Amino acid sequence: EVQLLESGGGLVQPGGSLRLSCVASGFTFSTYAMSWVRQAPGKGLEWVSAISGTGEAIYSYADSVRGRFTISRDNSKNTLHLQMSGLRVEDTAIYFCAKAAGTFYFGSGTSWGQGTLVTVSS
Amino acid sequence: SALTQPASVSGSPGQSITISCTGTSSDIGYYNYVSWYQQRPGKAPTLMIYDVTNRPSRVSNRFSGSKSGNTASLTISGLQAEDEADYYCSSYTGSSTSVFGGGTKLTVL
Repeated sequence: EVQLLESGGGLVQPGGSLRLSCVASGFTFSTYAMSWVRQAPGKGLEWVSAISGTGEAIYSYADSVRGRFTISRDNSKNTLHLQMSGLRVEDTAIYFCAKAAGTFYFGSGTSWGQGTLVTVSS
Repeated sequence: SALTQPASVSGSPGQSITISCTGTSSDIGYYNYVSWYQQRPGKAPTLMIYDVTNRPSRVSNRFSGSKSGNTASLTISGLQAEDEADYYCSSYTGSSTSVFGGGTKLTVL
């Protein structure tokens, strides 16, 4: 059974940094693309970032986070990360990690974690 | 830009409903990578349809997807109370990026 467990969320001041992690199990982590999707309180889903699976990594970011967020993966630890810096109030959201359908990201999330809440406030 | 979905739809048990998702010739109109997700309150989204028309094995065949031009659609037939949830569409937009719709709240009357 695929399981994804996010952690690292919390309260941070504007301009601060936070690192999210997503530990995966139940599948061969290294061979699948992964993504981060967020959901502001009471709002819809917003795609944030994606990283490809095995091989030379392909990274992609939403315009709203490009230059501030960095996605990475540690295949030896079956873990996906999202390093967030220059955080803004509008980054406040639940952050979900999702497993893609294959090695490359084509937009689908076949399995999702339960999310971790990031609150940016002074 | 986000894909366009109706804010809400409703139907009675046993009826069929369709949720539309309108994009552009750069996303839905260009790629056959449209997905639909169901999200219940306080829960993570779950995949219902992928690649426009494909359904994961665990998903009921009452759910079906289609696409015409720049608009994708999710149809739920034989509506059940348990189908009440928020539904989101998403489309691949090239270069390993994607975009979601604003979401549609389905109410089963």
